Amino acid sequence: SYALTQPPSLSVAPGQTARITCGGNNIGSTSVNWYRQKPGQAPVLAVYDSSGRPSGIPERLSGSNSGNTATLTIDRVEAGDEADYYCQVWDSGLYWVFGGGTTLTVL
Amino acid sequence: QVQLSESGGGVVQPGRSLRLSCAASGFTFSTYAMHWVRQAPGKGLEWVARISGEGGVMYNVDLAKGRFTISRDNSKNTHYLYMRSLRAEDTAVYHCAKGTFLGSGSFLDSWGQGTLVTVSS
Repeated sequence: SYALTQPPSLSVAPGQTARITCGGNNIGSTSVNWYRQKPGQAPVLAVYDSSGRPSGIPERLSGSNSGNTATLTIDRVEAGDEADYYCQVWDSGLYWVFGGGTTLTVL
Repeated sequence: QVQLSESGGGVVQPGRSLRLSCAASGFTFSTYAMHWVRQAPGKGLEWVARISGEGGVMYNVDLAKGRFTISRDNSKNTHYLYMRSLRAEDTAVYHCAKGTFLGSGSFLDSWGQGTLVTVSS
């Protein structure tokens, strides 16, 4: 099945920009979704269809997708953004595939 | 608003069976696909299975290996995951989630808190 590659961890200072990547073969031609999971909580949809933002998600979070990399960007990072972030695609109409997840640490 | 609540987890011996339930509210249940996603301790998310509003099913074949069965009862706004021949590697928090299609993609727009399944002798 389709493989998604994420960096295991990313550390960013408060107020800076975090860019979390999700690599996949020609992923730019696919719809990518992102989920945020804070410790002890259920995942929450953060970005859908590569760049759509669900209601309740801050405008500081945005998504982009091109070539072999999809990116979740978090502007003006805050302590409350500390979480695990997962990308996900729908592979061949058969599988819902998740990336391995990236743990975002706010320094 | 959408609410999903799982139940049925617990400690079970290897080789035994368990049925998980997910009660839904806040949306027209019968018109949405529902999923199970699991998360082993300290690990990432792993999709398990999906059932359409009409009952069509899909499985992560590598994971389920014919041991898992997803079902739903639209009259009760509930769907289920029956797991048999459980193994230690099935130990995980099992989340239910509501599925949505958009264009060529599909995502999970609401999740439950999950129920912990521990397979241990």
